[in-house]
Amino acid sequence: GNSVTQMEGPVTLSEEAFLTINCTYTATGYPSLFWYVQYPGEGLQLLLKATKADDKGSNKGFEATYRKETTSFHLEKGSVQVSDSAVYFCALEDAGNMLTFGGGTRLMVKP
Amino acid sequence: EPEVTQTPSHQVTQMGQEVILRCVPISNHLYFYWYRQILGQKVEFLVSFYNNEISEKSEIFDDQFSVERPDGSNFTLKIRSTKLEDSAMYFCASGKDRSSYEQYFGPGTRLTVT
Repeated sequence: GNSVTQMEGPVTLSEEAFLTINCTYTATGYPSLFWYVQYPGEGLQLLLKATKADDKGSNKGFEATYRKETTSFHLEKGSVQVSDSAVYFCALEDAGNMLTFGGGTRLMVKP
Repeated sequence: EPEVTQTPSHQVTQMGQEVILRCVPISNHLYFYWYRQILGQKVEFLVSFYNNEISEKSEIFDDQFSVERPDGSNFTLKIRSTKLEDSAMYFCASGKDRSSYEQYFGPGTRLTVT
């Protein structure tokens, strides 16, 4: 079956540091890939997506590239802010339109 | 900006009781979903719903669970006889159509079964 593995947190960074959160997946077909973010007390929000190999999703300074050869979709940001502190979930969607999530990575950014 | 809402935010119930979790999806969306997250574990898909019927369900979604769209706005998840292991955060999501790939999530209902 499908699965998503992402690095365990928490990840603690200073403001303006570079962020990478690793995500790899296993899927039988050609899934779409997503990053969702959950701020404290809120629901999951779609951060970015990529629907085919070599696509790059980007939003709010975050980027992730769909790498079919390494089955990866790592999240990056060049300069994090305190307001980026949240839990980040990598996910894939297969033909059944259901999302399979990774375990989530908590990011804490200190001023 | 339109958003998915869920009520209640926290529900405490005794084992064996029935609970109904409520969701109001975004108004022009046609696809509806329930997910759950047991504390410390992954977010797991439960069920998807389209055109007044279940389109997909996971093995978690057994006969104790049911979903309904009783009117034009609400989407509910019923657990008939709650068990301790049903304690989790339950998320509702909705999507405009299959091709958009985007599912919009509500803030969740925390269910505690004692």
